[in-house]
Amino acid sequence: DVKVTQSSRYLVKRTGEKVFLECVQDMDHENMFWYRQDPGLGLRLIYFSYDVKMKEKGDIPEGYSVSREKKERFSLILESASTNQTSMYLCASGAFTGSYGYTFGSGTRLTVV
Amino acid sequence: GENVEQHPSTLSVQEGDSAVIKCTYSDSASNYFPWYKQELGKRPQLIIDIRSNVGEKKDQRIAVTLNKTAKHFSLHITETQPEDSAVYFCAANLVGNKLTFGGGTRVLVKP
Repeated sequence: DVKVTQSSRYLVKRTGEKVFLECVQDMDHENMFWYRQDPGLGLRLIYFSYDVKMKEKGDIPEGYSVSREKKERFSLILESASTNQTSMYLCASGAFTGSYGYTFGSGTRLTVV
Repeated sequence: GENVEQHPSTLSVQEGDSAVIKCTYSDSASNYFPWYKQELGKRPQLIIDIRSNVGEKKDQRIAVTLNKTAKHFSLHITETQPEDSAVYFCAANLVGNKLTFGGGTRVLVKP
């Protein structure tokens, strides 16, 4: 089974801090994604990457950046955390040519105080 | 870009009854339609998917239908059980591209 591992399950940060959320997958997938999940708003795409050093903005990129220096690792960065970024963050990976959808990580629940 | 709408947002059914969730999509080029189930506190997991060259697909108690002309697809769960209680998400994309998700349906199966 594909494993997508997110480094933290719960995280509490202060307003203004720089926050790093890490995601690692072990199946050599080309595509990796960061979603944000809020009650009533479903899954919203923040950023995605089709390959190392490539990144594309999703639907809600403001206040976030990403880094993909290695194929297996995709990092989400909150440059200056704000309370409205309190949310559940889900990483996912998928093969470029397959029709197998995505495999999600367990999520990181981030609270910004 | 693609836009996916999902209805209803909540669905309460009696155990043993059927549940139907409907989604519409906007991009006629989309050709891959997965469904995810997310149990409370857990990650979304793929439960069934369908490609645009197929009209219906079944896997035990769940089935998905696709109407390309109308650009809508549906999830059908028969003989619902308490363990079917979860949030279900539909999604659409071109294979290999990013998925666009619907807003989710919270399904509650009452014993």
